[in-house]
Amino acid sequence: EVQLVESGGGLVKPGGSLKLSCAASGFTFSSYAMSWVRQSPEKRLEWVAEISSGGSYTYYPDTVTGRFTISRDNAKNTLYLEMSSLRSEDTAMYYCARGGVTTFAYWGQGTLVTVSA
Amino acid sequence: DIVMTQSPSSLSVSAGEKVTMSCKSSQSLLNSGNQKNYLAWYQQKPGQPPKLLIYGASTRESGVPDRFTGSGSGTDFTLTISSVQAEDLAVYYCQNDHSYPFTFGSGTKLEIK
Repeated sequence: EVQLVESGGGLVKPGGSLKLSCAASGFTFSSYAMSWVRQSPEKRLEWVAEISSGGSYTYYPDTVTGRFTISRDNAKNTLYLEMSSLRSEDTAMYYCARGGVTTFAYWGQGTLVTVSA
Repeated sequence: DIVMTQSPSSLSVSAGEKVTMSCKSSQSLLNSGNQKNYLAWYQQKPGQPPKLLIYGASTRESGVPDRFTGSGSGTDFTLTISSVQAEDLAVYYCQNDHSYPFTFGSGTKLEIK
């Protein structure tokens, strides 16, 4: 069974940094592209990063380019999202998602990030 | 960026009724090379993450009941629930899986009377 467990969320001040992790199990982690998707308090979904299976290629929307960095450790079956220069609009539930028949075939339960003074 | 527009934003139906919801994309999601539409539907129940329902515009994910049907091509897509059940209470999102940046619609909230 595919399992994705996010951690690392919390309360951070504007301009601060945070690093999220996603522990994967139940599949061959190194064979799949992985993504982060966030959901705002208003329930809007926004894709924020994708990384290729080997980690060589990364993709971001303009809203986070230069502030967020996605990475992975295939030996540890773990996906990461480093976030810096955080803004109030980055407040959201952050989900990691595995690729497959679609870019977001499986989702974790999420970790909450709150950016507030 | 491809804008995904869903309608209606909410609907309330009785169990057993048929439901149809729409998703329109600002650009075609059809890959001319393989003639596949890169459109996905997700179901999000209260307190849960989104769950993949339909991919390729019309292919049901494994385990999804056959009362859920996706249709459409190009820029116009539809999700139909043939006979709504109480457990279908959720928000339904469509998603551009065709090109970066991947984008989602704002959702259709399904309520059961």
